[in-house]
Order: sequence, then structure tokens, then C-alpha cells
Amino acid sequence: QKEVEQNSGPLSVPEGAIASLNCTYSDRVSQSFFWYRQYSGKSPELIMSIYSNGDKEDGRFTAQLNKASQYVSLLIRDSQPSDSATYLCAVLKNTGNQFYFGTGTSLTVIP
Amino acid sequence: EPEVTQTPSHQVTQMGQEVILRCVPISNHLYFYWYRQILGQKVEFLVSFYNNEISEKSEIFDDQFSVERPDGSNFTLKIRSTKLEDSAMYFCASTGTGGEGEQFFGPGTRLTVL
Repeated sequence: QKEVEQNSGPLSVPEGAIASLNCTYSDRVSQSFFWYRQYSGKSPELIMSIYSNGDKEDGRFTAQLNKASQYVSLLIRDSQPSDSATYLCAVLKNTGNQFYFGTGTSLTVIP
Repeated sequence: EPEVTQTPSHQVTQMGQEVILRCVPISNHLYFYWYRQILGQKVEFLVSFYNNEISEKSEIFDDQFSVERPDGSNFTLKIRSTKLEDSAMYFCASTGTGGEGEQFFGPGTRLTVL
């Protein structure tokens, strides 16, 4: 079983719409969760972190965490063409300090 | 804004040669990491480093690899006797908290082994 799973997409949304990205993780003791954005050929760029159940909002981005379901999501409101990228979910277990990354979801925002 | 830097941006080497990839983490950060990403695949953890020693390493990080912090600013990854399958993007990252926080990534070094 993979540590972190994401739908690889591609996910296409029209400009101005809400993009919803999902991630599940296998280890129940995972404690910290991160969303990164990666443009083609570039390095991961941190968007948000979330540590406790519920929602966390930062501008157009909202991260949602449900530890009981082992599920974390990212909502992007008012999607812009510049949001077109691959979104990586990363999970940190409490037994170490390495990130486990999902394979990423490719998002395309259509003007 | 402080950032992680990496050199070179692209390294081409012949199979069997040794390469050293260099990173300058954010200055007040304490934990340092190397990850790699083979083209089209996910980002994979290699090693974490704290207080001048390896704190955690993955199965990928075998005897072919080593890390070092030769001075107060640089953090290096050495790959001995490179193989074709070592071709990948190598990312350095750092974090300033107790190793449990947000990791900030450098721009990466693209390693091509011929």
C-alpha cells in the first residue's frame, strides 16, 4: 500500500471555478500534512500546512484534514491560469522527519 | 526572503564518475534534507541531516551516497560511481523547526548520467 495516494488527473477546471484536490494516506499516526505546488521542471513550492482536523484557509486556498478518514484535501477558489501546475501532497509521520510525497495531481485551469 | 540555493543547476557526467551536488540551506535552519525526483515520478526522500549527522535515511541512500556539511553554510550530496538510473532532479530542503515543520526546497540540480 502506498504511503500517500493522489489522483494523478489531469484535472481541468475553467478560470474562476473551484478546484478540488484530494489525498489519502495510509499511516494513521501521521501528524503533519503539506500541500506543495510544482511547475514543470521546477522545485516544490510550499502552499499550506495543516496539523489538526478541520479547515485552514489562506487566501484562495483552503486545506481540509480528516484524520479519522485519513484524508486531506486542497480547495483552490477563483482558479487562475497561473494555478496550472502539479499539486503534491506530503505527509510527515511522528516517527521521523522525512516527507512522504504523493505522485501529484496535474491541474489545468482553462482561460 | 531567504531561500535555499543549489549548484550546479545541471550536471552531466559519465557513468562511473563521482559527482558532488551542493546546497546552501536557509541560514538559521537546523535540519537539512536531500530528495530526488526521477522524470515523471514522485519526489522521494533520500536523507535528513541534523547536528552534523544523518538522522534518517531511505533505502535509496545506500553506500553509493554520502552527505556532508563541510562548513557553516554548505550541505553536499556526493554520489560515487554514478549509474544511469541516478539521472534525476535532486532537491535540497531545509527546515528551521524541530524537524517537524515546513520544508523549503531549493531549485534543484538536474543530474544526467551518460
